[in-house]
Amino acid sequence: EDQVTQSPEALRLQEGESSSLNCSYTVSGLRGLFWYRQDPGKGPEFLFTLYSAGEEKEKERLKATLTKKESFLHITAPKPEDSATYLCAVQAKNNDMRFGAGTRLTVKP
Amino acid sequence: NAGVTQTPKFQVLKTGQSMTLQCAQDMNHEYMSWYRQDPGMGLRLIHYSVGAGITDQGEVPNGYNVSRSTTEDFPLRLLSAAPSQTSVYFCASRPRGPSNQPQHFGDGTRLSIL
Repeated sequence: EDQVTQSPEALRLQEGESSSLNCSYTVSGLRGLFWYRQDPGKGPEFLFTLYSAGEEKEKERLKATLTKKESFLHITAPKPEDSATYLCAVQAKNNDMRFGAGTRLTVKP
Repeated sequence: NAGVTQTPKFQVLKTGQSMTLQCAQDMNHEYMSWYRQDPGMGLRLIHYSVGAGITDQGEVPNGYNVSRSTTEDFPLRLLSAAPSQTSVYFCASRPRGPSNQPQHFGDGTRLSIL
């Protein structure tokens, strides 16, 4: 069965302290891996799609990478406004979409 | 553009009551879907639609009905509410084309069943 596991569940960083969030997956025929940001009381907001191992995408302080078994969301010199829950989702060949439970990131000033 | 609009934002029901969660999008998206989000779990797909008149079940469809009479609207009906259906419900949409395109989400309906 397709599975997505995100770690850690929660991460507290000081402003400027770089770190990485992990998304491990098992899926039959990956069609795409998605990263979303979710603020409290809001719906997920799309960040990146990665389609194949070795692919990387960047947006401001965020960089997403993909291997055959996992994806990382690297956060460089984070700011308090980066505090949110980050969700990972994978789409399999059968078009099923599976979401991880998310990593709750808190960046303290 | 409003994007994906969900109403109501909050709702409290008693066990056995029925209600409809509304979802509308103004992006002319063919694909629409409903998810529920529970603490410690990922979003789980309830029902989805690939176009007007076409709906299908997702991972957790029991206790929910959907219909798609227009491209814009995709309501979710709870037939007889149960405490296990207490959750946050999200509607999402994406354009026609490859299924591995990102979805656009509404801001959710927070539903409590007493």
